[in-house]
Amino acid sequence: RKEVEQDPGPFNVPEGATVAFNCTYSNSASQSFFWYRQDCRKEPKLLMSVYSSGNEDGRFTAQLNRASQYISLLIRDSKLSDSATYLCVVKGGTGGFKTIFGAGTRLFVKA
Amino acid sequence: NAGVMQNPRHLVRRRGQEARLRCSPMKGHSHVYWYRQLPEEGLKFMVYLQKENIIDESGMPKERFSAEFPKEGPSILRIQQVVRGDSAAYFCASSLPTGAPANYGYTFGSGTRLTVV
Repeated sequence: RKEVEQDPGPFNVPEGATVAFNCTYSNSASQSFFWYRQDCRKEPKLLMSVYSSGNEDGRFTAQLNRASQYISLLIRDSKLSDSATYLCVVKGGTGGFKTIFGAGTRLFVKA
Repeated sequence: NAGVMQNPRHLVRRRGQEARLRCSPMKGHSHVYWYRQLPEEGLKFMVYLQKENIIDESGMPKERFSAEFPKEGPSILRIQQVVRGDSAAYFCASSLPTGAPANYGYTFGSGTRLTVV
């Protein structure tokens, strides 16, 4: 089983749609969780941290379910500029410092 | 305040040559991480370094690959006797020391795209 698993997609949605991505992780001792965004041939950039209480940043909402070991990202009112690959990221746990990246979910937003 | 600087941006090497990739962390960051991304794949952890110290190299191939982060100067990822399968994007990230908040994410450099011909 992969340490961090994501549906690779692609998700093809029209502008204005709401889209949700899920991610599961295997290490129950993981401490920190993030969503990163990566545009084609560019470096990953931090989109948002994920907290147990859930957090929102504009059109983006992230949720963490520790019991089920999954993380979600919800994008409302999709824009063309949201087209990218979204990486689920899990950090730490049981004394380790390593940060594990999921393989990413590709999103295409169409006009 | 410059971000994470990687150079070169693009590197072409013939099979059997050596590749040296450099990474200068953000100012104030003392931890450096190297990741490799093969075409159409996710980022794979390679190595985690502090100044003059390798913390975790569990993702490094056993042969031909080495990394260092000297007291002065950038971190170097070195690949000896490159093969076609080494062609990938190599990203470096830096972060604050481990005492930083656990929810502090990484800042990545723009990457070095290595092509082995």
